[in-house]
Amino acid sequence: AQRVTQPEKLLSVFKGAPVELKCNYSYSGSPELFWYVQYSRQRLQLLLRHISRESIKGFTADLNKGETSFHLKKPFAQEEDSAMYYCALRETSGSRLTFGEGTQLTVNP
Amino acid sequence: GAGVSQSPRYKVAKRGQDVALRCDPISGHVSLFWYQQALGQGPEFLTYFQNEAQLDKSGLPSDRFFAERPEGSVSTLKIQRTQQEDSAVYLCASSKTGGETQYFGPGTRLLVL
Repeated sequence: AQRVTQPEKLLSVFKGAPVELKCNYSYSGSPELFWYVQYSRQRLQLLLRHISRESIKGFTADLNKGETSFHLKKPFAQEEDSAMYYCALRETSGSRLTFGEGTQLTVNP
Repeated sequence: GAGVSQSPRYKVAKRGQDVALRCDPISGHVSLFWYQQALGQGPEFLTYFQNEAQLDKSGLPSDRFFAERPEGSVSTLKIQRTQQEDSAVYLCASSKTGGETQYFGPGTRLLVL
């Protein structure tokens, strides 16, 4: 069965510092990987997906099939990046999303 | 345009009561998903509809959970004889098709006393 692991429940950085949110997955096929974000008092929303290979709000994520990882990175964190971040996987043959437990990112001034 | 809406936003139920949670997907979205999110956890898949057909209900935790989407639009998740372990946020998501981006609703927070 597929599984998504986010090893850090909490991550705290200072404004302007680089940030990396880790995500590892286990799945025997070729999955689609996503990062979802939930800002305070807002609904869960898509941040980026690996097949788009784009940068959203300065965040990027590269799928590393050898290490089965999809870490989220931003070179200079901003206070407005403070939120809960979820990594998610979708089997290529299915439609359900499998989520990790989430990482609460706090960017301090 | 309007996003996914869910009602009620909060529900308090006594153990043993039945509850019904409603989801209004984005107009025209074929696919609809229900997820359960326990406190401190990520969302977990419950069930999936394509139009009115329930294609996957493998995530429903027990036969007390039942979902329907009779006309291929609004969906209702029903929980019978609620238990304390049913306390969670229930999220609904919709997408144009099964493979497209899923858009989430605000969730219904259920507390079973």
